[in-house]
Amino acid sequence: ELKVEQNPLFLSMQEGKNYTIYCNYSTTSDRLYWYRQDPGKSLESLFVLLSNGAVKQEGRLMASLDTKARLSTLHITAAVHDLSATYFCAGSTSGTYKYIFGTGTRLKVLA
Amino acid sequence: GAGVSQSPSNKVTEKGKDVELRCDPISGHTALYWYRQSLGQGLEFLIYFQGNSAPDKSGLPSDRFSAERTGGSVSTLTIQRTQQEDSAVYLCASRTSGGDNEQFFGPGTRLTVL
Repeated sequence: ELKVEQNPLFLSMQEGKNYTIYCNYSTTSDRLYWYRQDPGKSLESLFVLLSNGAVKQEGRLMASLDTKARLSTLHITAAVHDLSATYFCAGSTSGTYKYIFGTGTRLKVLA
Repeated sequence: GAGVSQSPSNKVTEKGKDVELRCDPISGHTALYWYRQSLGQGLEFLIYFQGNSAPDKSGLPSDRFSAERTGGSVSTLTIQRTQQEDSAVYLCASRTSGGDNEQFFGPGTRLTVL
């Protein structure tokens, strides 16, 4: 059964700094999703990664997928306060319908 | 277009009471999911509906939990004889079949059992 682990669980960083959130998964997963959740809000889709080597970027966030290493990363460039939120990754396998979520990374960007 | 909607947004109930939570998926989305998110935790899968197929109820934590989906659209999650440990945010998501299988989430229902 697919298991998804994120690290770190908590991340406090200064504005302007770069950092990476890691998402490891245990078995074959050829679809990887990243979500953002603001306090008291629902999940907002950020990225959908469907193939090995996929890289997607939106603003200061860039996500990548390495299916051989069973690893996805969410890289934050020059963080700003508005990026403070909890970030979740979720994996699934084509032909199945279950999504397995990581425990989330709570990011706090300090001004 | 309209996204996934859920009602109520907040529900406070007394231990032992029954509650019903409602989800309106995006029109045309055949798949619908219910998740539970406890404070500061990730998402726990509860149940999955796909078209007219039998739902996958494997994530329901006890027989006090049930869900139905009428006409392949609106879904209701019912919790009977609520307990304090049922307090959580209940999220609904829907998606189309095929493509990148991206889920779209509703705003959630925050359930508090006193």
